[in-house]
Amino acid sequence: QSALTQPRSVSGSPGQSVTISCTGTSSDVGGYNYVSWYQQHPGKAPKLMIYDVSKRPSGVPDRFSGSKSGNTASLTISGLQAEDEADYYCCSYAGSYTFDVVFGGGTKLTVL
Amino acid sequence: EVQLVESGGGLVQPGGSLRLSCAASGFTFSSYEMNWVRQAPGKGLEWVSYISSSGSTIYYADSVKGRFTISRDNAKNSLYLQMNSLRAEDTAVYYCARGAPDTVTTDYWGQGTLVTVSS
Repeated sequence: QSALTQPRSVSGSPGQSVTISCTGTSSDVGGYNYVSWYQQHPGKAPKLMIYDVSKRPSGVPDRFSGSKSGNTASLTISGLQAEDEADYYCCSYAGSYTFDVVFGGGTKLTVL
Repeated sequence: EVQLVESGGGLVQPGGSLRLSCAASGFTFSSYEMNWVRQAPGKGLEWVSYISSSGSTIYYADSVKGRFTISRDNAKNSLYLQMNSLRAEDTAVYYCARGAPDTVTTDYWGQGTLVTVSS
């Protein structure tokens, strides 16, 4: 069982928006502004899409945005495109007593 | 261009050992923290270990503590993971991942190397 809880799957049509939630606790998501989101296509390495809750690395389209409220972080993808179909993982720093990083179980995004 | 290339994976029996390597290029390796992250077949991601840029600070996930050892050779631009007392549940693709500057995340990942622990 993963430390962070994500929905197993979400779906949307091209052009629509979808939001993926990531629920943790005050010891991880709620305690630090170190939430990241990764995109993973089948057989490929994860790609960083969002870090520090809402920052986008260079080259990531502004269709991808992140936010956080309390112990729940969210990734919103607007203007869905076929190539957005992938698995998405949230990640949070959780180092209360020592360095620790926890991931969500992943969400499969299907573009209908 | 940042490149991370893992090697050393393979089939090993329970209780056995394996050493993974990660060759880095396209950036000043000695200036960056590094991590190992694994993914069991069909499963999610799990952080395994962290090492600071100098190698002086190291952390492990509880699941591998006492069995795995992370190290680096900045002169060779290489990261390593020595895995001992391997168990079936260690079966996974192992990724090396660069620590992003000024935050707690990883910004570049290698393609991974598969470790299979089975008799």
